[in-house]
Amino acid sequence: NAGVMQNPRHLVRRRGQEARLRCSPMKGHSHVYWYRQLPEEGLKFMVYLQKENIIDESGMPKERFSAEFPKEGPSILRIQQVVRGDSAAYFCASSPRRADPTGFGSGTRLTVV
Amino acid sequence: QKEVEQDPGPLSVPEGAIVSLNCTYSNSAFQYFMWYRQYSRKGPELLMYTYSSGNKEDGRFTAQVDKSSKYISLFIRDSQPSDSATYLCALLGVIQGAQKLVFGQGTRLTINP
Repeated sequence: NAGVMQNPRHLVRRRGQEARLRCSPMKGHSHVYWYRQLPEEGLKFMVYLQKENIIDESGMPKERFSAEFPKEGPSILRIQQVVRGDSAAYFCASSPRRADPTGFGSGTRLTVV
Repeated sequence: QKEVEQDPGPLSVPEGAIVSLNCTYSNSAFQYFMWYRQYSRKGPELLMYTYSSGNKEDGRFTAQVDKSSKYISLFIRDSQPSDSATYLCALLGVIQGAQKLVFGQGTRLTINP
């Protein structure tokens, strides 16, 4: 009965490198949501994907950030040329249909040095 | 004006006290109301989910919604040290044609033994 799995739990990148965050949804869930949480702040929506489709990316920064959810394998959030301001906890959630995300992963904590 | 306002705390109360956590919102398009609990270094977990105005009870937790005032609350009775966490309200609605889930900033709660 695995929940949403995210890896890595912690990721350290130097400025300018690429960060790749992975999310495996709960079994049977085909909808994935990515959120970012800065220290002392709530979760900010980034992107909502279904298998092979980006449904809503209204929360994604226009540059350097991209997301995918391929037919096979986990969803990937990619951040290119990271900057210090990208340091945050990134959470993934999933749901079995288009609805509110109820199951969250434990997050990936990205630190840019 | 933020879509959801939540007092960030921190809030510290003695064990056994009744805790009241609150959020206000501005857009009447929000129709579903959730409370999440987030322990340190963990992802949020859904605690309560409600739709209509009024109270919904689940054990020691009561969620209260007042749509006319755009005000939601979570009450915790007989608080325990294990309730120490950050509590986030979340609102779901169709905004500008798209379904949006918006989180409050989160209130950090500590229950002192």
